[in-house]
Amino acid sequence: DAKTTQPPSMDCAEGRAANLPCNHSTISGNEYVYWYRQIHSQGPQYIIHGLKNNETNEMASLIITEDRKSSTLILPHATLRDTAVYYCIVRVAAYSGAGSYQLTFGKGTKLSVIP
Amino acid sequence: ETGVTQTPRHLVMGMTNKKSLKCEQHLGHNAMYWYKQSAKKPLELMFVYNFKEQTENNSVPSRFSPECPNSSHLFLHLHTLQPEDSALYLCASSHSRSSYNSPLHFGNGTRLTVT
Repeated sequence: DAKTTQPPSMDCAEGRAANLPCNHSTISGNEYVYWYRQIHSQGPQYIIHGLKNNETNEMASLIITEDRKSSTLILPHATLRDTAVYYCIVRVAAYSGAGSYQLTFGKGTKLSVIP
Repeated sequence: ETGVTQTPRHLVMGMTNKKSLKCEQHLGHNAMYWYKQSAKKPLELMFVYNFKEQTENNSVPSRFSPECPNSSHLFLHLHTLQPEDSALYLCASSHSRSSYNSPLHFGNGTRLTVT
């Protein structure tokens, strides 16, 4: 799986949009971009994923650049409960044998939502 | 509420004990996973089950023994563990591996301490 690069930490004011960037310059054409977050003492929580089109769900929006080398996760109105470590992961789109489900979580971005 | 329930949340065991971790999913998924999250290390895949059949064993020592009696339940049997096995053990589930872009949904983990 391609490696990703994220800033180690970010702050966001409560009620404002949080924009979390991710670089994945070596992504392959058959790899999806996934975002998870992990709140302290809990398991990772799935947020959203996409291949090349922008995606939106009830939690967030995912903007992927046309060359697919970077993406941005947008939390439109951050709340204190969004304080967590956010992980950007790229993962093969098709099962390709043992190791396909090795989700490579890097160090992520620690988002702190400030009151 | 993630739809994936793990028990117990915390477990302290001696090196000679035998214990089991339990995972149950209520999402109608057919694939289940065990991951290990150690302090300051990335998430490590341990085992994958697809339709109750083990499809991956990521070179895990035999002191960890998984069991998947049906698609909704997954166990991890532990015996003669070492202190370095202390970690957060996470269970996850997804649609079957043929649904290649199905996201994984994690439980909140069992925090294991081996003394």
